[in-house]
Amino acid sequence: EVQLVESGGGFVQPGGSLRLSCAASGFTFSTYGMTWVRQAPGRGLEWVSVISGNGLSTYYADSVKGRFTISRDSSKNTLYLQMNSLRAEDTAVYYCAKEFGGGVFDYMDVWGKGTTVTVSS
Amino acid sequence: EIVLTQSPGTLSLSPGERATLSCRASQSVSSYLAWYQQKPGQAPRLLIYDASNRATGIPARFSGSGSGTDFTLTISSLEPEDFAVYYCQQRTSWWTFGQGTKVEIK
Repeated sequence: EVQLVESGGGFVQPGGSLRLSCAASGFTFSTYGMTWVRQAPGRGLEWVSVISGNGLSTYYADSVKGRFTISRDSSKNTLYLQMNSLRAEDTAVYYCAKEFGGGVFDYMDVWGKGTTVTVSS
Repeated sequence: EIVLTQSPGTLSLSPGERATLSCRASQSVSSYLAWYQQKPGQAPRLLIYDASNRATGIPARFSGSGSGTDFTLTISSLEPEDFAVYYCQQRTSWWTFGQGTKVEIK
């Protein structure tokens, strides 16, 4: 069964840092692009970052560029999101998702259940 | 940035009725548009990709159509489990999502 399980969310003060993880199973991890999508409370979906299957290409939404870093470890089948200089507006449920095809900016056909990040003083 | 505008914001229907959801793009996205369903407390689920292709395991009552800037998701006969929020997403230029349409029980 294809599965994604996020972890690492929590409560952090503005300016703080968190690292999210997403453990993947049931598919050849290194073949697929992976992405992070977030959803603020009561709001819609916002893509955050995407990384290619080989890890060589990364892209970020303007709202997080320079503060967040996406990475992946194919030996551990794990996707990461390092979040620095966190702001209140980063408060959201963060989902990791597998891309449909092998590239980037494809559709997302498998999603994790999400991990909640709360940024507040 | 390509903006996707979904309408209506909320659709109030009864089980068995037909639902028609719209997604309009600010510029052409060709057929590079998907639809996702999200139920409360759950992650989104891919329903339709490339405007009209059903994802694996999606029932035939869900269908998508359109190209260019105007797209439609149709649910031919609403089942109780179909009441949810639906989002469109384009992948022509980076990614953007629409703001969502909530399909609620009338």
